[in-house]
Amino acid sequence: AQSVTQPDIHITVSEGASLELRCNYSYGATPYLFWYVQSPGQGLQLLLKYFSGDTLVQGIKGFEAEFKRSQSSFNLRKPSVHWSDAAEYFCAVGSGNTGKLIFGQGTTLQVKP
Amino acid sequence: EAGVAQSPRYKIIEKRQSVAFWCNPISGHATLYWYQQILGQGPKLLIQFQNNGVVDDSQLPKDRFSAERLKGVDSTLKIQPAKLEDSAVYLCASNQPGLAVTDTQYFGPGTRLTVL
Repeated sequence: AQSVTQPDIHITVSEGASLELRCNYSYGATPYLFWYVQSPGQGLQLLLKYFSGDTLVQGIKGFEAEFKRSQSSFNLRKPSVHWSDAAEYFCAVGSGNTGKLIFGQGTTLQVKP
Repeated sequence: EAGVAQSPRYKIIEKRQSVAFWCNPISGHATLYWYQQILGQGPKLLIQFQNNGVVDDSQLPKDRFSAERLKGVDSTLKIQPAKLEDSAVYLCASNQPGLAVTDTQYFGPGTRLTVL
């Protein structure tokens, strides 16, 4: 069965520091992978997605993610975090048949001044 | 372009009462999703519509939850009777044309339900 694991429930980084959020997936075929961000009281916003091709994908707000098939991972990175990046981040894998998304449990990012 | 609209934004009810949530997707989006997001968890798909037909309702607790999308546009999700464990944020999403996973889902702000 398809599943997504985000090992870190909560991460705190200092403003200006680099960030990496981990995501591991379980999927039988070529995975379709997504990262969404959810700010308090807001809906989920798509940061980036990977379907095929270049394994390093660029997203909005300066985020990028790298697909590593050998590690079943799709980690999200940002070189320099801003206070406005404080939010909850969700990794998801998509079903090729119906478009259904299966989400991880999320990682809450706190940014220290 | 207007986003996905949901109402109400917040609802507090007693257990065993009924409640309904409304969603209006982005204009022209054929596919509509309802997700349940329990505190500390990621969203879980409850039901997916393509136009006014159900594509996937495998995780919808059908003894108490129901959903409809009669004219293929807006949708209503109902819970009757509510249980304490139904306390969650209910998210609506839509995309066009929809059945391909490559079609980006756009999410509404959600309805936060508290069952006392």
